[in-house]
Amino acid sequence: DAKTTQPNSMESNEEEPVHLPCNHSTISGTDYIHWYRQLPSQGPEYVIHGLTSNVNNRMASLAIAEDRKSSTLILHRATLRDAAVYYCILRAPPNFGNEKLTFGTGTRLTIIP
Amino acid sequence: ETGVTQSPTHLIKTRGQQVTLRCSSQSGHNTVSWYQQALGQGPQFIFQYYREEENGRGNFPPRFSGLQFPNYSSELNVNALELDDSALYLCASSQRQGPNEKLFFGSGTQLSVL
Repeated sequence: DAKTTQPNSMESNEEEPVHLPCNHSTISGTDYIHWYRQLPSQGPEYVIHGLTSNVNNRMASLAIAEDRKSSTLILHRATLRDAAVYYCILRAPPNFGNEKLTFGTGTRLTIIP
Repeated sequence: ETGVTQSPTHLIKTRGQQVTLRCSSQSGHNTVSWYQQALGQGPQFIFQYYREEENGRGNFPPRFSGLQFPNYSSELNVNALELDDSALYLCASSQRQGPNEKLFFGSGTQLSVL
């Protein structure tokens, strides 16, 4: 599985935008970039995913570098509820027996009131 | 729609015992995956079931086994428990959609092995 690298931790002020980086220099041309987050005492929660183009949804935006070797998850206006561990995951095309998510240690985001 | 539910939420066992964890998938989902999460680590893939057949397995020994039932609920069984099996066990359900597939996780079962 291609590897991702994320900072161990980040802090941000409440109501400010947050940019969470992810490096994936060994990404293959067919790997999708997925983001999940895990709030305290809960299972991971899907946030967003993309292949090449930038993506927006109600939770966040995903900015993908032109060479696809890095991406950034953007929370436009952080709230205390966004405090969580954020995981950047590369997902290969489906192959029987290969439909797993490979989690790293993620970025622990702390929101300062 | 109902979410993914897991039972029990907490469990304490002793070394050598056997344990069964249960998961009820989200309505309409045909795939269930199980993950193990040690303290301070990301979840690690155990295995996945698709339409009642095992469909991929991570680096876990055979004493970790599972079942998926016709209603797409699932069980994770662990035999001969070891101290290192202490972890949060997460179940995730999904509807197979290739790389666009989104997993929906339960809140997990916290297993402590003494």
